[in-house]
Amino acid sequence: SQQGEEDPQALSIQEGENATMNCSYKTSINNLQWYRQNSGRGLVHLILIRSNEREKHSGRLRVTLDTSKKSSSLLITASRAADTASYFCATDAWGDYKLSFGAGTTVTVRA
Amino acid sequence: KAGVTQTPRYLIKTRGQQVTLSCSPISGHRSVSWYQQTPGQGLQFLFEYFSETQRNKGNFPGRFSGRQFSNSRSEMNVSTLELGDSALYLCASSSLPRQGLGDEKLFFGSGTQLSVL
Repeated sequence: SQQGEEDPQALSIQEGENATMNCSYKTSINNLQWYRQNSGRGLVHLILIRSNEREKHSGRLRVTLDTSKKSSSLLITASRAADTASYFCATDAWGDYKLSFGAGTTVTVRA
Repeated sequence: KAGVTQTPRYLIKTRGQQVTLSCSPISGHRSVSWYQQTPGQGLQFLFEYFSETQRNKGNFPGRFSGRQFSNSRSEMNVSTLELGDSALYLCASSSLPRQGLGDEKLFFGSGTQLSVL
């Protein structure tokens, strides 16, 4: 079973707009990561935030983490057509040696 | 550096057959993980290997097995295939021997798309 859920399941935006997606998880974590997947391909790591961090930035990406609410959000600013993909959050717990993935948010950026 | 390589890219099998999928991690990476991705269940963890030792196994039947070789290459095997085994099988590698050392991100291959007829 999956660790958590992502919201929304799908998102359609205009190029240049911001995209925000949320992830909730169930158990205590070591860190939370976000990955991108282009249609039927492998996942690409985007950003990692540790359980003792609250916010992290990488280029046009901004991630927040609220461990008290067991939730995270990913913001993509000034979206581009190339951002069209599915986005997954993934968590790990100490000693697990695995990532537990959310169901993913499918983002479509319209030109 | 070459990325994670998975072979074959596509595979078609019939029910009852067995299949072996191969994964070559990034050079120097000793941890290899396998995931199954389906539209209904999403990404499910299968197993993780480090230095030929299985450190964790997901909730899959015994028909799913894996191994890792001394050169870190890994294989997974599915015996007595069922229709529900149709999925994208993803392999990922990592350079870290254990958690807590830093950037524990995974590098994924492009996957093997298995269709069971």
